Amino acid sequence: DAKTTQPPSMDCAEGRAANLPCNHSTISGNEYVYWYRQIHSQGPQYIIHGLKNNETNEMASLIITEDRKSSTLILPHATLRDTAVYYCIVRVPARGTASKLTFGTGTRLQVTL
Amino acid sequence: ETGVTQTPRHLVMGMTNKKSLKCEQHLGHNAMYWYKQSAKKPLELMFVYNFKEQTENNSVPSRFSPECPNSSHLFLHLHTLQPEDSALYLCASSQAKGQGSEKLFFGSGTQLSVL
Repeated sequence: DAKTTQPPSMDCAEGRAANLPCNHSTISGNEYVYWYRQIHSQGPQYIIHGLKNNETNEMASLIITEDRKSSTLILPHATLRDTAVYYCIVRVPARGTASKLTFGTGTRLQVTL
Repeated sequence: ETGVTQTPRHLVMGMTNKKSLKCEQHLGHNAMYWYKQSAKKPLELMFVYNFKEQTENNSVPSRFSPECPNSSHLFLHLHTLQPEDSALYLCASSQAKGQGSEKLFFGSGTQLSVL
């Protein structure tokens, strides 16, 4: 898996967009970018993933730079319930077999009033 | 509700006890996982099961013994644990097909305290 670098913590005001960066400068051509989050004392929750195109779902948007060396997870209107640790993971998806997904230390996002 | 249910939610046990953690998934997935999360530390992958076969044992001590009787159920049997084994134990499942293998669904975990 390619190494990723995330800021240890960020703050965001409620109602504003939260932009969480991830650097993955050694990403290879067949590695995807995955984002998960973990709310305190719960299991991680899958958010979104992408290869090279920008992706959007009901939870968030993922913007991947053209050279794929970095990406940004965007929560368009952050709420207090979005306070969590956000993990950026880069890996080649295991096809037809189980994953060996590993988590780093992530970014602790604090959404405030 | 993620479709992955873990019981019990909390467990306190002595070092000489034997207990088991249970995980059940209702998603029709064929891969199941045990992760450990100690306080202030990243998640650690412990065991991986693919179609009921164990495919990964991440150098886990033998006092942790997993069991996967079918694709929907996963157990973690615990015996003679140490206080440093106190942690949040998380179960997850995924569909080992296409890109779905990396989309894991986690349970709420069992918070284990070893006295």
